[in-house]
Amino acid sequence: DVKVTQSSRYLVKRTGEKVFLECVQDMDHENMFWYRQDPGLGLRLIYFSYDVKMKEKGDIPEGYSVSREKKERFSLILESASTNQTSMYLCASRINRVYTEAFFGQGTRLTVV
Amino acid sequence: GNSVTQMEGPVTLSEEAFLTINCTYTATGYPSLFWYVQYPGEGLQLLLKATKADDKGSNKGFEATYRKETTSFHLEKGSVQVSDSAVYFCALASGANSKLTFGKGITLSVRP
Repeated sequence: DVKVTQSSRYLVKRTGEKVFLECVQDMDHENMFWYRQDPGLGLRLIYFSYDVKMKEKGDIPEGYSVSREKKERFSLILESASTNQTSMYLCASRINRVYTEAFFGQGTRLTVV
Repeated sequence: GNSVTQMEGPVTLSEEAFLTINCTYTATGYPSLFWYVQYPGEGLQLLLKATKADDKGSNKGFEATYRKETTSFHLEKGSVQVSDSAVYFCALASGANSKLTFGKGITLSVRP
């Protein structure tokens, strides 16, 4: 089974802190994603990486950056956390082939106080 | 660009009721279509998928048919159970190196 593992289930950070969310997948997938999930808004794509060191902005990249130094790991960085970044963050990975689905991690519930 | 529209929720049903959750899409080319389910406190997991017109995806009693003429992928189940209570997301992907585009999700609650 594909496994996508996010480093934390719950995280509480202070406003202004730099926050790192880590995601690791074990199936050699080329594509990795970070989504944010908020009530009434569904899943919104923050960033997408289609290969090591390659990244593409999603729909809501402001206030976030990403890093992909190794194929299995995709990190989301909040440069200076703000209360409006309190949310559920979901990482996903997908093999680079048509017709394939994405596999998700369990999510990180981030609260910024 | 691509988009997915789901019916508004939440939906509350009694056990053994029939379920339909509507999903329509806009996409270039021939997208693959997916239904994901999210149980409380968990990430998303794939429920079913369809990759070409008239394909029917099915899993755990749920079904959805890829209708290109109406650009729809409605989810159905003949008899829901309490354990089906979850959030359901419709999604599409158009190509290999492409992101998945999601609908807003709908919360289903099934009462005994």
